[in-house]
Amino acid sequence: DVKVTQSSRYLVKRTGEKVFLECVQDMDHENMFWYRQDPGLGLRLIYFSYDVKMKEKGDIPEGYSVSREKKERFSLILESASTNQTSMYLCAIQNYNEQFFGPGTRLTVL
Amino acid sequence: RKEVEQDPGPFNVPEGATVAFNCTYSNSASQSFFWYRQDCRKEPKLLMSVYSSGNEDGRFTAQLNRASQYISLLIRDSKLSDSATYLCVVNGAGNNRKLIWGLGTSLAVNP
Repeated sequence: DVKVTQSSRYLVKRTGEKVFLECVQDMDHENMFWYRQDPGLGLRLIYFSYDVKMKEKGDIPEGYSVSREKKERFSLILESASTNQTSMYLCAIQNYNEQFFGPGTRLTVL
Repeated sequence: RKEVEQDPGPFNVPEGATVAFNCTYSNSASQSFFWYRQDCRKEPKLLMSVYSSGNEDGRFTAQLNRASQYISLLIRDSKLSDSATYLCVVNGAGNNRKLIWGLGTSLAVNP
């Protein structure tokens, strides 16, 4: 079974803090994704990566950056957290066209 | 027009009922179609892929209608444990790595 882990299930940060969300997969998949999910807006793609050191912007990259230094790890960075970044963050890997998700990180920015 | 549209529901059905969801997509070039299930405050999980010929997995049947650009999910003999949000997903045109997600249809199966 594919296993995708995320560093925290719940996180509370203050406005202006730098926030790191980590995602690790154990199956050597090339494609990894970061989404956020909000009520009424569904899943929105922030960034994705299809190889080490490669990244592409998704639909809502503003206020975020990513890092993929190793194949198994894809990090999402909030350079200066804001209250409108309070959300559920979901990491996914892709196997052919199917995506498999980590358990999610529920981030609250105060 | 949204790229992927679903009726948000909620659908409230008694145990044992048959319920069907439809989903329409706008890009005729889409090639891959999926249904995901998401429980409250959990991550989405793949329920089934949707193939051109239609496919069945136990009580679940998925159909694709390319001419009308919609996919459907039929659940027979509903169980309480089927209560969840069902997400329709379609691959984006020209880039199979990106998926386009519907907002989901909420199902509540009642005793």
